[in-house]
Amino acid sequence: AQTVTQSQPEMSVQEAETVTLSCTYDTSESNYYLFWYKQPPSRQMILVIRQEAYKQQNATENRFSVNFQKAAKSFSLKISDSQLGDTAMYFCAFMKPGTASKLTFGTGTRLQVTL
Amino acid sequence: GAVVSQHPSRVICKSGTSVKIECRSLDFQATTMFWYRQFPKQSLMLMATSNEGSKATYEQGVEKDKFLINHASLTLSTLTVTSAHPEDSSFYICSAKIGSSNQPQHFGDGTRLSIL
Repeated sequence: AQTVTQSQPEMSVQEAETVTLSCTYDTSESNYYLFWYKQPPSRQMILVIRQEAYKQQNATENRFSVNFQKAAKSFSLKISDSQLGDTAMYFCAFMKPGTASKLTFGTGTRLQVTL
Repeated sequence: GAVVSQHPSRVICKSGTSVKIECRSLDFQATTMFWYRQFPKQSLMLMATSNEGSKATYEQGVEKDKFLINHASLTLSTLTVTSAHPEDSSFYICSAKIGSSNQPQHFGDGTRLSIL
């Protein structure tokens, strides 16, 4: 079974600054997918970024980028130029390809962006 | 695109009643939908995987007679909490997957269920 660990329950960053959220996972699979989801106070789950394990290049989506270290089983999320609207819970998730395609979520990191 | 609608957004009802929650994929067909439960300040816990035209697959520890799932069409899955009790109060979220198994899940806005 896969496990996903987010060791930072809460983080705070000032507006316009950069913050990195950490995520590690454990799996015996060689091919898989990793995701970061954002859950703002409205409670909707929003896909932020995805990474395919067989791709060495780190995924980037505007101000969001990841540092994917496959050997270390690490998948951190970097948010640049933080905005107040980035305040949310951030969940790291693992998915093994297959018919079930279940997501395994980490426990989440609550990010607060301050003025 | 990839919009998932969940209804209702909030339900308050008396203990012993049954509550139905709907999850619809508005602009795509979803052969697979997922139902999650989330307690305050906790992560999402997968309850079951709903497959169109077949029985749902429940996670270990989830009572299938308590949480009835129906996925009668490619755009609609329903979760019915039968004879709900206060301990069933929670936030329930559905998600749907487009096409192949490698696509990310798209989530509904969730339903806050409060049983008095």
